[in-house]
Amino acid sequence: KNEVEQSPQNLTAQEGEFITINCSYSVGISALHWLQQHPGGGIVSLFMLSSGKKKHGRLIATINIQEKHSSLHITASHPRDSAVYICAVKAGSNQFYFGTGTSLTVIP
Amino acid sequence: SQTIHQWPATLVQPVGSPLSLECTVEGTSNPNLYWYRQAAGRGLQLLFYSVGIGQISSEVPQNLSASRPQDRQFILSSKKLLLSDSGFYLCASQGIYNEQFFGPGTRLTVL
Repeated sequence: KNEVEQSPQNLTAQEGEFITINCSYSVGISALHWLQQHPGGGIVSLFMLSSGKKKHGRLIATINIQEKHSSLHITASHPRDSAVYICAVKAGSNQFYFGTGTSLTVIP
Repeated sequence: SQTIHQWPATLVQPVGSPLSLECTVEGTSNPNLYWYRQAAGRGLQLLFYSVGIGQISSEVPQNLSASRPQDRQFILSSKKLLLSDSGFYLCASQGIYNEQFFGPGTRLTVL
């Protein structure tokens, strides 16, 4: 069993739709990251959070520490949001666990 | 913010050949550095991390080794590549808020 599980694995949405990607983890963590990986492979850090909610533009990330669950929301989705979104948790000083990612395709 | 440089971007190597991937970091000093591998259809796997020059910790037993000869240089090596070493290798650096900055990655194919 993976320490970090994401759902769905694949997601196709129409432009403008509200999108939610979920992440559940089974270990104690100090922080959770949402990463975005574009087709070329480069990875960008979107959010790092340890409690509550963070918002950046059309992206919103929430975390519930008690339930060991986080969600990434994209409002008014756009084709340029198409990418793989990866949830990662920091469990120790240098211990990171990664989900396998959610592949998002936004159709114009 | 930090900038992570990795090269080469792609590499095709025969089984049994050696490997050397280099990562350099700009915009910070004495960062924690990480080597990850992403195999096809799988999540990122932490291979090595380093908290300083000459200090290397390995997360999984493997055919690879790492070295940190300078503060902002991290090298991933192998003496003899295996088919199973194929994958996408990413170098990352930890920021002051514990966020991770990733390099552009190296796609390695072992034939």
